[in-house]
Amino acid sequence: EVQLVQSGAEVKKPGESLKISCKASGYSFTTYWIGWVRQMPGKGLEWMGIIYPGDSDTRYSPSFQGQVTISVDKSINTAYLQWNSLKASDTAIYYCARHDQGWRVGYWGQGTLVTVSS
Amino acid sequence: NFMLTQPHSVSESPGKTVTVSCTRSSGSIANNFVQWYQLRPGSAPTTVIFEDNKRPSGVPDRFSGSIDSSSNSASLTISGLKTEDEADYYCQSYDANNHLLFGGGTKLTVL
Repeated sequence: EVQLVQSGAEVKKPGESLKISCKASGYSFTTYWIGWVRQMPGKGLEWMGIIYPGDSDTRYSPSFQGQVTISVDKSINTAYLQWNSLKASDTAIYYCARHDQGWRVGYWGQGTLVTVSS
Repeated sequence: NFMLTQPHSVSESPGKTVTVSCTRSSGSIANNFVQWYQLRPGSAPTTVIFEDNKRPSGVPDRFSGSIDSSSNSASLTISGLKTEDEADYYCQSYDANNHLLFGGGTKLTVL
């Protein structure tokens, strides 16, 4: 059974750094693109970017390029989403998403709520 | 790049049929597959339709998808509405760079 289990909710202050995780199981981690989707409070889904764990090829939405870093640790089947300096506008739920053939999300993590507030 | 436009909200009574549209702003809707996701508050999204009109296992056949080249749109139709269908629904396609694009979402109310 494919599972994507994300790290727990975070409360941070503006300017702080953060790295959230998504541990995958039940499939060959290195052979599927995995990425992140943002949902800001009361808003819709926004695709942030993806990484191919096999070779770490990473692609970002222009809206998120330079704002976040997506990475993986193949040894523990885990994907990460990282910020160096959080802003209040980063407050959102972040979903980990395994991408399947046809450029679609086949499996979703349960979501990680990130709250950035002074 | 193109945008996917959905109605902000739709509502219908239990047992009835509702259709949610997703209109592509440029380029043909038939060029790239369209998926539909259901998002209930407090839950992760789930796929109800993929590749325009395919249902994942476990999704009831009350859910169906289609595309219409004349209106350049995709549609999600839910028949025999149940209160449990009340949720936000998002269409999704992808651009020439294989970046995923989501519609703005449609809130379905079953009243």
